[in-house]
Amino acid sequence: GIQVEQSPPDLILQEGANSTLRCNFSDSVNNLQWFHQNPWGQLINLFYIPSGTKQNGRLSATTVATERYSLLYISSSQTTDSGVYFCAVWGSARQLTFGSGTQLTVLP
Amino acid sequence: ETGVTQTPRHLVMGMTNKKSLKCEQHLGHNAMYWYKQSAKKPLELMFVYSLEERVENNSVPSRFSPECPNSSHLFLHLHTLQPEDSALYLCASSYQGTPPELFFGSGTQLSVL
Repeated sequence: GIQVEQSPPDLILQEGANSTLRCNFSDSVNNLQWFHQNPWGQLINLFYIPSGTKQNGRLSATTVATERYSLLYISSSQTTDSGVYFCAVWGSARQLTFGSGTQLTVLP
Repeated sequence: ETGVTQTPRHLVMGMTNKKSLKCEQHLGHNAMYWYKQSAKKPLELMFVYSLEERVENNSVPSRFSPECPNSSHLFLHLHTLQPEDSALYLCASSYQGTPPELFFGSGTQLSVL
């Protein structure tokens, strides 16, 4: 099946810093979603982005489907941004396959 | 209420118990999913229901039994679980179609003693 790799696995930032999270996938995909899992376990939808670039406040995402990667940008990070960020792709297997996530810690 | 609601939030059960997890979606979706999230592992798809028919069963042991009585409700019945079944169980919903956008609930943290 399709492989999804996220990097870095762990990231520690000072509040106010910017960061870039990466998601690589091994095959062509029809969809890609970014999620933020908060400390209470809730998976919050950030972006539905099969291709192109989208922005939502301090967050933006870019997917380059032909090169099989997506990037999530977090600017001016806040402590509430802490948690695990997952990317998930919908490929030929017709199911959403998740990466292992990036654990982000934003220090005050 | 809005979104996807799961109950209970936490559950502790013995290996001989029978319990059920409940999921309800208020988004008007017609597909529902169960995922398992174990420590240090990616989310794993367990079951998919589309238009109340089970369309996916990812080699899940029979001690997990899903039920989808209508498009808004999804259950996961548990019996004779093992300690390795301890995990966060997440429900999601979406509109039918490819590719869908999934929306998740807060999960049930299950501990099997």
